[in-house]
Amino acid sequence: GAVVSQHPSRVICKSGTSVKIECRSLDFQATTMFWYRQFPKQSLMLMATSNEGSKATYEQGVEKDKFLINHASLTLSTLTVTSAHPEDSSFYICSARRGTNSYEQYFGPGTRLTVT
Amino acid sequence: AQSVSQHNHHVILSEAASLELGCNYSYGGTVNLFWYVQYPGQHLQLLLKYFSGDPLVKGIKGFEAEFIKSKFSFNLRKPSVQWSDTAEYFCAVGENYGQNFVFGPGTRLSVLP
Repeated sequence: GAVVSQHPSRVICKSGTSVKIECRSLDFQATTMFWYRQFPKQSLMLMATSNEGSKATYEQGVEKDKFLINHASLTLSTLTVTSAHPEDSSFYICSARRGTNSYEQYFGPGTRLTVT
Repeated sequence: AQSVSQHNHHVILSEAASLELGCNYSYGGTVNLFWYVQYPGQHLQLLLKYFSGDPLVKGIKGFEAEFIKSKFSFNLRKPSVQWSDTAEYFCAVGENYGQNFVFGPGTRLSVLP
């Protein structure tokens, strides 16, 4: 149990376009989902926390108008990178927390975004 | 703000050697502690976790970690590593029951056959 999927696994887009990444909890309901960014050979940096049915909470330095997060249901959160630029190229990873009293996060496989 | 440090950026060991990866955090309150592993080309997997109770935690694949509150540490150990343990290892700390989850910078482990 506790499987998290992401789609797509890889995406290449042109500069100026928008890209949507989906994160799904397959066998549990996730009241909270997290979006991370991982640069090559670096650790994961938390971008934002999304709670189902409410606005996401963004970490300092993350542009909320550029990285749109929607958590419309208990099993789906989406991250949309708007007007992507080459510097947005990165590995984006989501995680999900099961229930409000759970401390553990279950991670998705990640999405490799390349902006040309 | 919470910070997590890992002592080594890259560790190289021969098979059967013992492993200890250091992890220190800065938050003085209640913490939840995790070690994750990321094998080449794969996603993060949980190795072990500490929430409360016995500070010596046993995880999967023969790994264990010890929480020493006075040292703000949660070091990962394995008595005898295998080539298949080659991976990136991340320590993570959550404050106050899951809030402010922060990852350490990671330690790359290379095990030579």
